[in-house]
Amino acid sequence: QQQVRQSPQSLTVWEGETAILNCSYEDSTFNYFPWYQQFPGEGPALLISISSVSDKKEDGRFTIFFNKREKKLSLHITDSQPGDSATYFCAAIYQGGRALIFGTGTTVSVSP
Amino acid sequence: NAGVIQTPRHKVTGKGQEATLWCEPISGHSAVFWYRQTIVQGLEFLTYFRNQAPIDDSGMPKERFSAQMPNQSHSTLKIQSTQPQDSAVYLCASSLNERLFFGHGTKLSVL
Repeated sequence: QQQVRQSPQSLTVWEGETAILNCSYEDSTFNYFPWYQQFPGEGPALLISISSVSDKKEDGRFTIFFNKREKKLSLHITDSQPGDSATYFCAAIYQGGRALIFGTGTTVSVSP
Repeated sequence: NAGVIQTPRHKVTGKGQEATLWCEPISGHSAVFWYRQTIVQGLEFLTYFRNQAPIDDSGMPKERFSAQMPNQSHSTLKIQSTQPQDSAVYLCASSLNERLFFGHGTKLSVL
């Protein structure tokens, strides 16, 4: 059973629009949620992260919204740019956990 | 800082052959992780070392897969008797804390 789920699988937005990526998880002990960005031919790279004590984290055009009660979070990419076209992975880990558990990813395409 | 270095970038093996994948972590990072990436399964955790000691290999297939970290500057993932279903991108990552730094990966193709 997938512990971290993402939707949609793929998403296309126009340049300047807001892309919304969704993530949900099963284990209520997860307390740290990073999002990784991956371009073709490269490894994933940390984009932004949030801990379970916060409900929002913002970094430039990227914002995470976190709902602990519903065990859901979302990544909003505002003013999307063609350079944001990539696959985005939601991940989770619990305190003292040993390895990040990744979702299956959302591929975002931004059309100019 | 060259980042995490993985070699080779691409490896093609015949069914039943052995494949050894190499990873050089970022100097000073205490933890090394191996993940496997496929379209269907996404990023799957395989195994993890901290200060060269194996900590968690719960994601490793029980047969044919093994990983080692003989020194702080490199780790290897070995797959014996490779099968077509082993075809994937194998990613190595290192870290000091929760943030993982990934290499570019090794794309393994088993014919």
